[in-house]
Amino acid sequence: DADVTQTPRNRITKTGKRIMLECSQTKGHDRMYWYRQDPGLGLRLIYYSFDVKDINKGEISDGYSVSRQAQAKFSLSLESAIPNQTALYFCATSGTSGRSQNEQFFGPGTRLTVL
Amino acid sequence: LAKTTQPISMDSYEGQEVNITCSHNNIATNDYITWYQQFPSQGPRFIIQGYKTKVTNEVASLFIPADRKSSTLSLPRVSLSDTAVYYCLVGDKAAGNKLTFGGGTRVLVKP
Repeated sequence: DADVTQTPRNRITKTGKRIMLECSQTKGHDRMYWYRQDPGLGLRLIYYSFDVKDINKGEISDGYSVSRQAQAKFSLSLESAIPNQTALYFCATSGTSGRSQNEQFFGPGTRLTVL
Repeated sequence: LAKTTQPISMDSYEGQEVNITCSHNNIATNDYITWYQQFPSQGPRFIIQGYKTKVTNEVASLFIPADRKSSTLSLPRVSLSDTAVYYCLVGDKAAGNKLTFGGGTRVLVKP
């Protein structure tokens, strides 16, 4: 079984709809991240969480919110989806110190299309 | 925001060595430098990590000068399957050591 899973893998929705993307991990990591990737571009950090009680905004948090329900679960929500949020979304996890905090383990991604 | 700079793309041929340099002038004292590989429609995958001097594993080598303001990923004898985007990841001193990705280098290996 994969260490980091994302659901759904693909989603098509309409403008104005509320969408939740879910991420679960079995690596026992405290740190979790949500990234967005647009075609031909690199990854941009949306939100990150260093533990269950810690949530931080990333580079592009506007229009998004997150929930860290447990150590193993980190959800990303789009309260009112808009077309320019069409992208590939990745969840990742990492350890907490030294070398391990830089080694992030990524999920398979969720392809979201907002019409 | 990340303060890393990488070339946007580079081409190579099978069997050649590929060197990708990343600039990171604001690297934090305690941060490590990590490189990732990404294939289309997949999540990035860890390749190598280092703090200073040189690190080598079965996939690549990482060269880091004494001032640590840059690093070079070296891929020896590339094959077609090494065609991917390569990202440099360092701590961001300006953002309190928050980890962010660089822009990525698209490497195309030709036959």
